Amino acid sequence: GENVEQHPSTLSVQEGDSAVIKCTYSDSASNYFPWYKQELGKRPQLIIDIRSNVGEKKDQRIAVTLNKTAKHFSLHITETQPEDSAVYFCAATSLGGFKTIFGAGTRLFVKA
Amino acid sequence: GAVVSQHPSWVICKSGTSVKIECRSLDFQATTMFWYRQFPKQSLMLMATSNEGSKATYEQGVEKDKFLINHASLTLSTLTVTSAHPEDSSFYICSARAPGLAGVETQYFGPGTRLLVL
Repeated sequence: GENVEQHPSTLSVQEGDSAVIKCTYSDSASNYFPWYKQELGKRPQLIIDIRSNVGEKKDQRIAVTLNKTAKHFSLHITETQPEDSAVYFCAATSLGGFKTIFGAGTRLFVKA
Repeated sequence: GAVVSQHPSWVICKSGTSVKIECRSLDFQATTMFWYRQFPKQSLMLMATSNEGSKATYEQGVEKDKFLINHASLTLSTLTVTSAHPEDSSFYICSARAPGLAGVETQYFGPGTRLLVL
């Protein structure tokens, strides 16, 4: 079946450094790729998304890149801050939004 | 916009009882809602897709007779865990699609319900 692989499972960086989280997907019909941030005990919050007709998207310190040929997409966080510490999930969506597969999550620690 | 609420936020019940969880879209109509289950330090596992006015679509391995889903209106979906057992203890999160805001595919999540079955 379809799956989304996410790496690394844990990432620890110094404040101010960059963090990169990578995902690969298997369903070639996937055309929408959201990223969610989940703080402990709280709901996942959409932080950025990208559609398959775009290769890169940026929103302040956050950027996402997509390589449709390789079925890879990545989240880049620059100038990390302690409040960026959370679990980040990537996801791949197809079938007009009816099928979303989530990655296993990356626990990001930003050390002050 | 795109606010999703869930009630209750946490519940403790005895083994064998049934628990109902409500998911509401507060400022938009949601023809489709999703129910997920999340174990500690794990990802979101889709349980079922709830469609307004029709039967829910369950993922493989999810017992439809144990996890009853009703989507009676465009703003409300309910998940009932019937005859709950300790292994059903988990964090249950719903989400709703909000077409027209960020895009037809975007899901917005409720705050989750933490269920503990004793």
